Amino acid sequence: GNSVTQMEGPVTLSEEAFLTINCTYTATGYPSLFWYVQYPGEGLQLLLKATKADDKGSNKGFEATYRKETTSFHLEKGSVQVSDSAVYFCALSTSGGGGNKLTFGTGTQLKVEL
Amino acid sequence: DTAVSQTPKYLVTQMGNDKSIKCEQNLGHDTMYWYKQDSKKFLKIMFSYNNKELIINETVPNRFSPKSPDKAHLNLHINSLELGDSAVYFCASSPTQYYGYTFGSGTRLTVV
Repeated sequence: GNSVTQMEGPVTLSEEAFLTINCTYTATGYPSLFWYVQYPGEGLQLLLKATKADDKGSNKGFEATYRKETTSFHLEKGSVQVSDSAVYFCALSTSGGGGNKLTFGTGTQLKVEL
Repeated sequence: DTAVSQTPKYLVTQMGNDKSIKCEQNLGHDTMYWYKQDSKKFLKIMFSYNNKELIINETVPNRFSPKSPDKAHLNLHINSLELGDSAVYFCASSPTQYYGYTFGSGTRLTVV
């Protein structure tokens, strides 16, 4: 079956530090890959996506590249801000007989301090 | 206008009660979902409907029953609530697999 493995948190960084959150996946077929962000008390928001190998998704300074050879989709940001503090979820989607189903990783909590 | 709206936002109820959560989307998406997020933030799919037809039904107790009167609405009814049902329930919708989901803001259910 499909699965997503994320690095465990919490991750605590100082403002302007470099961020990497690792994500690897196992999937049948050719999944689409996503990063979602959940701010405290809110629902999940799509941060970025990539639908095929070597695609790079980017948004708000965050980037992730779909690496088929290493089955990875690591999230990076060059300089984090306090406002980036949230829980980040890596996810994959496959369609087919089972419908369009998003499988999520366990989430990584990020805390950015001044 | 909220794209995916859920009501209520908070729900506190006693064990054994029956409750419903409503979800509506105004995005014109064909597919809607219910996800459960536990206390450790883990998200697991419960159900998915495509154009009012059930297409995903994960291993969920049959006390949980989804209903989709039209493709813009997907409600979740829960019978005989148990303490372990306490969680945040998210509704979502999507056009296809390539666009990801749009989530509602969640319903925090607390069973006491």
